[in-house]
Amino acid sequence: GQQVMQIPQYQHVQEGEDFTTYCNSSTTLSNIQWYKQRPGGHPVFLIQLVKSGEVKKQKRLTFQFGEAKKNSSLHITATQTTDVGTYFCAEDNYGQNFVFGPGTRLSVLP
Amino acid sequence: DAGVIQSPRHEVTEMGQEVTLRCKPISGHDYLFWYRQTMMRGLELLIYFNNNVPIDDSGMPEDRFSAKMPNASFSTLKIQPSEPRDSAVYFCASSLSRMMQSTDTQYFGPGTRLTVL
Repeated sequence: GQQVMQIPQYQHVQEGEDFTTYCNSSTTLSNIQWYKQRPGGHPVFLIQLVKSGEVKKQKRLTFQFGEAKKNSSLHITATQTTDVGTYFCAEDNYGQNFVFGPGTRLSVLP
Repeated sequence: DAGVIQSPRHEVTEMGQEVTLRCKPISGHDYLFWYRQTMMRGLELLIYFNNNVPIDDSGMPEDRFSAKMPNASFSTLKIQPSEPRDSAVYFCASSLSRMMQSTDTQYFGPGTRLTVL
């Protein structure tokens, strides 16, 4: 079945440092979505990537979809304490499966 | 729109009792999803509906779990009998549609934190 891997599992950074989380799939994907869940909250949609090699930016967040559509990354520049939370990728296998990765928990030390 | 509404927000019950979780999706959304989140297993899809019809329930753990969607604005997830290992946060999510064989943005409710003693 579809395997979703996300690394790292945890990341602790000093405020102002950059952060990157990676998502890898065992299958080619139709699209990938990223969600953020604050502590005690619920997952909130951030972005969807559809095209091979696609790069999208949201302020300090940069999302990338791999050329082979089997991996993706989320990069945060100059982290802030408001970035704290768990970042999930969610992989869509052409409507056959929609699977969330295990998430990367980000801690930002002020 | 108020977003996805779930009730109750917290539920504490004893082993063997029946538990019913409720969800009201965003009006106009065709898809409704039930997820379970635990530290050990992460976010797991239990079941999803399209236009009130269950499409995929392969994630439902066992026969103790059942879900219904009697109309477009209401769904329930029932556990009978409940067990301590069912303790988790249960999320309901809805989405507008599936287009071009892809899943649309999912909007999550606040979740129900279930504790089974």
